[in-house]
Amino acid sequence: QVQLQESGPGLVKPSETLSLTCTVSGGSISSYYWSWIRQPLGKGLEWIGYIYYSGSTNYNPSLKSRVTISVDTSKKQFSLKLTSVTAADTAVYYCASLYCSGGSCYLNYWGQGTLVTVSS
Amino acid sequence: QSVLTQPPSVSGAPGQRVTISCTGSSSNIGADYDVHWYQQLPGTAPKLLIYRNSNRPSGVPDRFSASKSGTSASLAITGLQAEDEADYYCQSYDTSLSGWVFGGGTRLTVL
Repeated sequence: QVQLQESGPGLVKPSETLSLTCTVSGGSISSYYWSWIRQPLGKGLEWIGYIYYSGSTNYNPSLKSRVTISVDTSKKQFSLKLTSVTAADTAVYYCASLYCSGGSCYLNYWGQGTLVTVSS
Repeated sequence: QSVLTQPPSVSGAPGQRVTISCTGSSSNIGADYDVHWYQQLPGTAPKLLIYRNSNRPSGVPDRFSASKSGTSASLAITGLQAEDEADYYCQSYDTSLSGWVFGGGTRLTVL
């Protein structure tokens, strides 16, 4: 069973860069795509993007200009960077494994989530 | 405004059956993209509940079922239990947005 754990600062200043890392255990990093999703408090889920172990990525078009997702296969980690953050980026950020087959993709394992607050 | 539309809330008494709808369009569900469902218990991360329209992962009770037709999908929960009280989200792919999209979520209250 795959387990994921997010880590990173819980507080980021406006206009700065949000950086989070997700550590994968209990499975091979080459088995899935690896995704980031966020959820503003009391609101719904928003897909941020995903990366494959090869390094290929796909981002939510609404965030694409500010998002970078990278992977370190040797450490079994993948990371999220979101630049020029504002209060609207305050949310719980989840990492998850994205299983894709035959053009159908779903998030089969999730981390517990980490709250990131954007405030000065 | 979510691309996939869900009712904000539904409720039912213990033992009853409830359904949650997920309405999309010709650029997502209607384009024959699969629908997946997630359950988010209070204060926890979402959990995969149904994948590829109607399939339950191991460990999910058969009280949960789902279907898809046309531009919509629905999740049904029978024999409602207090532990089912949670938020439920549908998810699919949208060709116009070139990405995966979630419904706005439905809060299930067990009366």
